[in-house]
Formats: sequence, C-alpha cells, structure tokens
Amino acid sequence: DAKTTQPPSMDCAEGRAANLPCNHSTISGNEYVYWYRQIHSQGPQYIIHGLKNNETNEMASLIITEDRKSSTLILPHATLRDTAVYYCIVRNSYGKLTFGQGTILTVHP
Amino acid sequence: EAGVAQSPRYKIIEKRQSVAFWCNPISGHATLYWYQQILGQGPKLLIQFQNNGVVDDSQLPKDRFSAERLKGVDSTLKIQPAKLEDSAVYLCASSLEASGGRTVDTQYFGPGTRLTVL
Repeated sequence: DAKTTQPPSMDCAEGRAANLPCNHSTISGNEYVYWYRQIHSQGPQYIIHGLKNNETNEMASLIITEDRKSSTLILPHATLRDTAVYYCIVRNSYGKLTFGQGTILTVHP
Repeated sequence: EAGVAQSPRYKIIEKRQSVAFWCNPISGHATLYWYQQILGQGPKLLIQFQNNGVVDDSQLPKDRFSAERLKGVDSTLKIQPAKLEDSAVYLCASSLEASGGRTVDTQYFGPGTRLTVL
C-alpha cells in the first residue's frame, strides 16, 4: 500500500485559508487520494477524494500535482470547528484505507 | 440518511474478560470494516467484509479477536480474553462496495466504541 507523509502539526488563523500538504510518491495509477478528518472523540469524517484532477466540494478543495506524487487540501476559510486531525490516505484497489499519523490542524481565533 | 451506528459507546472491563461490540452500517452498504484506533495513532484496519464474506482479516489477532456479519447487515466484533493493550477506540465503517479500482466508494465511519481494559 502506498504510504503518505504529512507534517505532524499546523496552525491557521480563523478566517484564513488552511493549506495541508501530503506526499504520496509511491502512488499507483489507479489509486485515489482521500482526505478524512477526525475531531476529538468522533469517528473520521470524509472530506474529499481525487484521482488526477483537482476537486472541490462544499467542505474543501483538493489540488493534486500533475505527477500525482503530492497533493494539498485547502480549507478556504478556516473556522475554530475545523480544528482536527487531518488524514491523507491513498486508497488501494480493494478499497483499503491505510491511515498514517495525520496532521493536527489548530485554528486560532 | 442515518449514519453508521455503534454500541456501546464506552466499555470498561478487566483483563481476561470478554467484550463484544455491535455495528449497524448505512442501509444498503455491502462492505463493512472494523478498525482499531490506539490513542495518538491513526485507525488500523482489523477486518473487512463484503456482504457476509471476509475480504481482508490479515491484521486481526485471531487468537483473541473474532468478527461476524450474519445476513450481510449488522456485525459484531468480539475480544476474548481481553488484554491491557486492547484499550482503544473500535471504529466501524461502511461503504456501498469496495472491490475493483474503478469503483470509488467512500467509507463512512461510526462514532466508535471506547474500550478501557483495566
């Protein structure tokens, strides 16, 4: 399974954009990049996923580099409720998600 | 649409006792997953079911852990006997289906059961 590398922690000011990077240099051609987040004492929450093209939904945007070796999750206007652990995951062809340590994002007032 | 339901939310037992967790997936979801999340770590897959068949149980400690999914809907995860290192949050997730690279089915997680083994 392809591994991902994320910074252990990041800070962001409320109202500003939060840009969370992820490296996945061993990703295969048919593997998707998924992002989940986990707020304290809750189960992981799906955010967004992509294969090659950039994606946007009501929660976030996902920018995937042309060589697919890295991606960035963008929360356009971070709020205090976005404070969570953010996981970048490469999903294999059987649907398996292998979680890493994730990035602890702290949004400050 | 109702999400993934799990019970109980919290459980405290002594080592060597037995414990069982229950999961009800989202209606219509064929694939069900059980994860173990130790404090400070990301979730780790224990077992994956497709309907009532096991797809992947390579990470399940089979000497003490067992899981079943009768009738392809609800599932139970059992630990017998429990050890101190089993203290963790046990998460259940479900997706429409998971097989094949062409099918992109998102996993949706329940709130988890927090197990403390004393």
